[in-house]
Order: sequence, then C-alpha cells, then structure tokens
Amino acid sequence: ETGVTQSPTHLIKTRGQQVTLRCSSQSGHNTVSWYQQALGQGPQFIFQYYREEENGRGNFPPRFSGLQFPNYSSELNVNALELDDSALYLCASSHPGLAGGQETQYFGPGTRLLVL
Amino acid sequence: GESVGLHLPTLSVQEGDNSIINCAYSNSASDYFIWYKQESGKGPQFIIDIRSNMDKRQGQRVTVLLNKTVKHLSLQIAATQPGDSAVYFCAEITNFGNEKLTFGTGTRLTIIP
Repeated sequence: ETGVTQSPTHLIKTRGQQVTLRCSSQSGHNTVSWYQQALGQGPQFIFQYYREEENGRGNFPPRFSGLQFPNYSSELNVNALELDDSALYLCASSHPGLAGGQETQYFGPGTRLLVL
Repeated sequence: GESVGLHLPTLSVQEGDNSIINCAYSNSASDYFIWYKQESGKGPQFIIDIRSNMDKRQGQRVTVLLNKTVKHLSLQIAATQPGDSAVYFCAEITNFGNEKLTFGTGTRLTIIP
C-alpha cells in the first residue's frame, strides 16, 4: 500500500454533469499529481499541485480544474462531462527533494468514472 | 516530441524464466525513469527507478538497464512468478520542476504456469 487514498472508487455520471474526485496524499508528501487513464492506455498527466498552487498542466481543457488543501489533500473537478471523460482517474503524491530533484510518485488506487 | 514507447504490447513467459520488457524514450534531456506495475483494477505500483547518471540498478528480482546512447530502457524480472502477471509501464520525468510523468502504452506480461 502506498498510503495514497482516493474516493469514490467508482462513479457513474451522465453527460453534462459535474464531478468531484478526492485524493489524500501519503503522509509527508506536499505534491499531488492527477492523471487520466483511458482503457488500455497509459496514464496521461492532467495537472500537479505543489503547496496549494498549480505547478504544471497537461493538455486538458479548462473544465478540468483542481484544488489542494493545507493538509495537501486534493480534489479534481470536471465540469460539463463528456462521454470521452470515462476513464480511471489516478492521483499520485510525492515530495520533491530539497535540491529540486525529481522524486518518485506513488499512486492511489484510482476512481473509475463512467459517463453515460 | 516527448514520447515513451514500448516495443512489445504483450509478452508471455514461462513461470520461473526471466523476462525482459523494453522501452524507448525520445527526450534525451530526461534524467529520471521509473518502472511501474499495474494489476487489473489497481493504480500503478512503483517497482524501480533509475537516474540518468546510472546505467544499471538492481532491486529484488528486478534490474533496470538504461542506455542513453540509444535512449533505451529495459526491465528484467528474474524467476518470474504468477504474481508478476500485470501491465508494466515505463515513465520518464519530462519537465524538471513539475515532475510530470510521461507514460508509454504499457506491456502486458502473462506468466504461464
């Protein structure tokens, strides 16, 4: 177990609705990254939060937004859901090294979203 | 552009044999690589990582080799077990500072009893 938890585990929404997914990072980790994994594909980077600020964004439209809280937990919000948003949403936590070096990202189990 | 690709989408290996999963990357500036294992219905699980100042790193039953000359990465699993059946992804850090991971499509490893 990585210590990264996500909720809910599964979710069914209809097109046009809004959804909020939640992630609790591993203890001591101040960075949370969100990824979208379509069936049969590798995870695609959505965005990253470091100390409550967005710290990089992938090629996703503005209807994908996020938050990070003082306890470093995070939310992913998706507005105006589309059928293609159906995927496994993963969050990963990490703690960048003091020298700014990259550190391993540890993933949660994911939230499987189905948009009908 | 940035991409991480895998040579084989599927790989079947007899239980007890060694397996090798290959990965090619295109960004010569990448300096950190990670192998993840993903079982059905679960998130990616960290296996082993390697930084660009190394060419080999060993873990428990796993070895990662990095060839920067040809931008190639491989994961070797020794004495495969049924529990090794999963999809394996290599990933690279492409942007120093925000630690975005770029994943390949993955290789499905099946262990034959």
